[in-house]
This record gives sequence, structure tokens and C-alpha cells, in this order.
Amino acid sequence: DAGVIQSPRHEVTEMGQEVTLRCKPISGHDYLFWYRQTMMRGLELLIYFNNNVPIDDSGMPEDRFSAKMPNASFSTLKIQPSEPRDSAVYFCASSRVGLLSSSGNTIYFGEGSWLTVV
Amino acid sequence: GENVEQHPSTLSVQEGDSAVIKCTYSDSASNYFPWYKQELGKGPQLIIDIRSNVGEKKDQRIAVTLNKTAKHFSLHITETQPEDSAVYFCAASIGDTGRRALTFGSGTRLQVQP
Repeated sequence: DAGVIQSPRHEVTEMGQEVTLRCKPISGHDYLFWYRQTMMRGLELLIYFNNNVPIDDSGMPEDRFSAKMPNASFSTLKIQPSEPRDSAVYFCASSRVGLLSSSGNTIYFGEGSWLTVV
Repeated sequence: GENVEQHPSTLSVQEGDSAVIKCTYSDSASNYFPWYKQELGKGPQLIIDIRSNVGEKKDQRIAVTLNKTAKHFSLHITETQPEDSAVYFCAASIGDTGRRALTFGSGTRLQVQP
């Protein structure tokens, strides 16, 4: 399998611009997660979906952030307008419902989108 | 919600020595505890995981132990090698309900000195 695919890998944008990050989960996975990683706050869950439906968006920092999952193979995380404090690595991850085995909850991460807002 | 604390934040060992990283969690309902390794410029990669019905699990040089009563779990790496140098994250979640998101610890930067 190709794994979780994210794009772009790197993005540098000016403050106030719209940023769209994209994710293709592993085929057959029904959970999709967006995490943000910074030195100060570590890995934070922003939002996650189950069968394309948002389940918990309590980690989305503010209204400037929005996420969608129009189908099982694609999700976007949008920041509008972007601010310098949004600079971070954004990870998409996916998993599937499994039996109660040690691998049933394995969550696989993409390589991340490195965002710099100047 | 769940809170996961991880110690130490940095760890330096000599090649061949063992390394131990410890985590505690707050939600007694958590039942799934994975460990991830993150190399520079890459996403976290699962290296081992354990469920709450198991006290210990081993995979070659890596082992994880879980103490449900004390709500803590540990990662043990034996015979460390330079390629083990990375940031390691513990995590916890409730895996068999609708709440499946992982809560991560703050990470441990492991440096293995050749």
C-alpha cells in the first residue's frame, strides 16, 4: 500500500493567505485524523472523521481552520486567513475498525505538510 | 479528556546500552497504548503497541510493559544502536468505542552515542 499521502510537503505563504492541505488516506481505512506538531505543544489532535463524518473537532484552534472529507479517499484542512503562529507540521493519519487485536487500532501517519507562514 | 505524560524528554545512552522511556495516563478507560518513532523530517511510525489485556509485549530488541493499576507503561530498547536515535512518542486511546483518537505524550529525544 502507498500509505497516507499528503500534499504539499512544504508550503511557505504570506500572512493572510489561504492555505489548503490535502490528504489521501490508506484505502479501506474509515478513520482519518489531522494532527498538528509544534515544538511548544507537541502532537495535537485537530479533528477526526469516521466514514467521512467529523466526529470530534474540539481541537480545531479557531474558526480560521476548517476541514472536510468529501469522500473516503480525500480530505482537506484549510486555514483562512493564515497567521505566523499557524507555522507547524500538519500530519494526516488514518486507521480502520479492527477486531480487538493488538493491531486493530493502528494509526498510520503521512509524512506531514511543513507549513511556514511569514 | 485523556492526559499522557512522558519522561524523560531527552535521553542519551551509549551504543549497546538499554534505554527506558516511561509514560503515565489519566483515563482509566484507555485500553490501547502504541509507541511511535519519529525520525527527522518524517511522520511518526508505529514501532510497537499493547492492549490493556496484556501486561508485556516484546518484539526483538523492543519491549513494552503496562501497569493498569498504576496507569503507566514503559518502552524498553535493549542493545541500542545509532539508528535507534530518534524522537519516541507514547500514546493512549480508547480503542473499542467511538472515541478512537490518540492522545500523545510530549516525546523523548533518544540519542545513541556510537
